[in-house]
Amino acid sequence: AQSVTQLDSHVSVSEGTPVLLRCNYSSSYSPSLFWYVQHPNKGLQLLLKYTSAATLVKGINGFEAEFKKSETSFHLTKPSAHMSDAAEYFCVVSFSGGYNKLIFGAGTRLAVHP
Amino acid sequence: DVKVTQSSRYLVKRTGEKVFLECVQDMDHENMFWYRQDPGLGLRLIYFSYDVKMKEKGDIPEGYSVSREKKERFSLILESASTNQTSMYLCASSFVPEGSYEQYFGPGTRLTVT
Repeated sequence: AQSVTQLDSHVSVSEGTPVLLRCNYSSSYSPSLFWYVQHPNKGLQLLLKYTSAATLVKGINGFEAEFKKSETSFHLTKPSAHMSDAAEYFCVVSFSGGYNKLIFGAGTRLAVHP
Repeated sequence: DVKVTQSSRYLVKRTGEKVFLECVQDMDHENMFWYRQDPGLGLRLIYFSYDVKMKEKGDIPEGYSVSREKKERFSLILESASTNQTSMYLCASSFVPEGSYEQYFGPGTRLTVT
């Protein structure tokens, strides 16, 4: 069965310092993996996606994630946090095949302090 | 740009009322989805539809029904609202059935049942 675990419910960083949001997945199939971001009172926006091409995936706003099959991980990173990065981030796994069903992690709330 | 709109941002209803949440997408997507979002639980799939008049149960369909009479519109119905259905409801759409493609989300409807 497919599942996603986000290892931290809250992460707090200072502006200008690196961001690391951790995600582990479980999938019987070759997974497609996504990171979505949700700013306050907004819908979800796709940050980046992995679909079995390059294992290092670059997304919008300077974020990137590395797919590590041996560790079943897909951690999200950014070298330098900005105040506008404060939001909730969701790691998501999709079935390979089927009706495009997504399974969401519980979310990580990122706080960025001046 | 894909646009997914939801009929209300905020809704307050009484226990036992019938509630309709409407979602419209403007990109001719085949697939549409309804999720509910609760703190610490991420997004959970209620129902999805892969074609007009077609629907499939998601992970938590109890207490809900859906209607898709036109390709661009997908309605979520709470037949008799209860307080445990107080939540944020998110609609999404996607173009192809395969899991490697992203879903596009609306801004959400925050429903309070009193």
